[in-house]
Amino acid sequence: QQPVQSPQAVILREGEDAVINCSSSKALYSVHWYRQKHGEAPVFLMILLKGGEQKGHEKISASFNEKKQQSSLYLTASQLSYSGTYFCGTETPNTDKLIFGTGTRLQVFP
Amino acid sequence: DAGITQSPRHKVTETGTPVTLRCHQTENHRYMYWYRQDPGHGLRLIHYSYGVKDTDKGEVSDGYSVSRSKTEDFLLTLESATSSQTSVYFCAIRWTRGTEAFFGQGTRLTVV
Repeated sequence: QQPVQSPQAVILREGEDAVINCSSSKALYSVHWYRQKHGEAPVFLMILLKGGEQKGHEKISASFNEKKQQSSLYLTASQLSYSGTYFCGTETPNTDKLIFGTGTRLQVFP
Repeated sequence: DAGITQSPRHKVTETGTPVTLRCHQTENHRYMYWYRQDPGHGLRLIHYSYGVKDTDKGEVSDGYSVSRSKTEDFLLTLESATSSQTSVYFCAIRWTRGTEAFFGQGTRLTVV
């Protein structure tokens, strides 16, 4: 079953912040985050492992609440280059599957 | 680049015909995945492989089969293509569990 992402879409002005959420009904081993530009392949942003630390990449960071099977992606002071569709991917213990959510479309305007 | 290529990049085929998509990697990654991407559904897992000749079903495997006879190639076959299989197909690879996935550039398949 796919993890649920919210919101489905976000519209921002440059410099504004955004939070994208990912929730699973299953216990998780890890959560991945990817960004996909229109017409391109998804690109890896970061991975959060069970028992690991919160990750950060420039002005993009993420958290992982293992007890709630939830993760959030934080985009701070958004830039035009942040536009795209963001996907969370989840792994559960004892499986090799990598299951993705339905995506969150982020648009940043000047 | 993770050294992953998909072929063909675009294909138009008729309903009822068999179609095979190829994913080729040069990185010796153990895991390979096939996804389809459709508006409103995100990326959905079709099949995956955890080693040569070791494959398993994903969430939307009906109508698809896969084969992996060597480490570098993972083939996705539509036995008898239907219009509902019109989609963009992505292959992904990764070393092991808990590591990042690298995606191919995708194959746009249209079934008419």
